[in-house]
Amino acid sequence: EVQLVQSGAEVKKPGESLKISCKGSGYKFTSYWIGWVRQMPGKGLEWMGIIYPGDSDTRYSPSFQGQVTISADKSISTAYLQWSSLKASDTAMYFCARRADKAMGIYFDYWGQGTLVSVSS
Amino acid sequence: EIVLTQSPATLSLSPGERATLSCGASQSVSSNYLAWYHHKPGLAPRLLIYDTSSRATGIPDRFSGSGSGTHFTLTISRLEPEDFAVYYCQQYGDFPITFGQGTRLEIK
Repeated sequence: EVQLVQSGAEVKKPGESLKISCKGSGYKFTSYWIGWVRQMPGKGLEWMGIIYPGDSDTRYSPSFQGQVTISADKSISTAYLQWSSLKASDTAMYFCARRADKAMGIYFDYWGQGTLVSVSS
Repeated sequence: EIVLTQSPATLSLSPGERATLSCGASQSVSSNYLAWYHHKPGLAPRLLIYDTSSRATGIPDRFSGSGSGTHFTLTISRLEPEDFAVYYCQQYGDFPITFGQGTRLEIK
């Protein structure tokens, strides 16, 4: 069974750093792109970027380029999303999701349960 | 980037009724690369439809997708209790991929 299990909720202060994780299981982790999607409170979904764990090839949405870093450790089948200096506006639910196999373009067939990040002074 | 506008924002229907959700694009979606997702708060979103009209694995045939160019539709023929959720469309024909703001399907 394909599963993406995300790390737990985080409460941070502005200016702090953070790295959240997404562990894949039930499939060959290195063969599927993993994307990250943001959902701000009361809002819709926003694609942030995507990584291919096999070679760490990474693409970012222009809206998030330079704002976050996406990485992966294929030895432990885990993808990461990190911030070097959080802002209150980073408060959101963050989802990881697996790009569908053989997909023409990027859409997602399996999703994690989400990680809630709250940033407040 | 392509902006997707979903309508209505909220749809109130009863179990057994038919639901029609719309997704409009600010410009033509290349190759009709459009997907639909179902999302209940606290749970992982679930892929329903890809390539405008192909059902994802395990999705019942009461869900169907149609459309082309700038107008797309998700139809649920007979609503089941588990169908009441938020639905998102997503285009992947143009970079960056974008999502609609969602339609909340609620029980009347």
